[in-house]
Amino acid sequence: QSVLTQPPSVSAAPGQRVTISCSGSSSNIASNYVSWYQQLPGTAPKVLIHDDDKRASGIADRFSASKSGTSASLGITGLQTGDEADYFCGAWDTSLSGWVFGGGTKLTVL
Amino acid sequence: EVQLVESGGGLIQPGGSLRLSCAASGFTFHSYSINWVRQAPGKGLEWLAYISSSGRTIYYADSVKGRFTIARDNAKNSLSLQMNSLRAEDTAVYYCARDPGDYIDFWGQGTLVTVSS
Repeated sequence: QSVLTQPPSVSAAPGQRVTISCSGSSSNIASNYVSWYQQLPGTAPKVLIHDDDKRASGIADRFSASKSGTSASLGITGLQTGDEADYFCGAWDTSLSGWVFGGGTKLTVL
Repeated sequence: EVQLVESGGGLIQPGGSLRLSCAASGFTFHSYSINWVRQAPGKGLEWLAYISSSGRTIYYADSVKGRFTIARDNAKNSLSLQMNSLRAEDTAVYYCARDPGDYIDFWGQGTLVTVSS
């Protein structure tokens, strides 16, 4: 069971918008930066968003993120078939002294 | 170009030991903290261990504390993970992951460890 909670799957049509939520607690999301990672099938994770809402270098502005209290969310607009992947949220947990991740959300572009 | 290349994975019997390595290049290795993160087949990411840039600060997940040991050699731009008393549930792809401070900004390609008799 992951410390951060994400929906197992989301889906939307090409060109549409989707939001992926990430719920945590006072010791992780509420007190430390949230980052988001994309994992295409058979590859290593890649950072999309860091410091709650900053796009990593080279990431399209179709990807955005926000945070409020103990929850965070990732938004993807103008969905493309190439966006089909697993998406993970992550944050440092002050109580655990370690990184915690969500269980991952599988995005399907119908 | 930043590179993290893991090696040392393979098939190991339960109770056995394995040492993973991570070779870094393309950046100033001694300036970055590094983590080991694993992913069991079809599962999510599980953080295992953290080592600061100097090596003086180390943290472990409870699931591996006492069994796994992280270490680094800044002179050789390398990181290791010594894994003892391996269990079936340790079967996973193991990634080394660079940590600039507030997020993980680069992951290696991973090395597969399979614990099975």
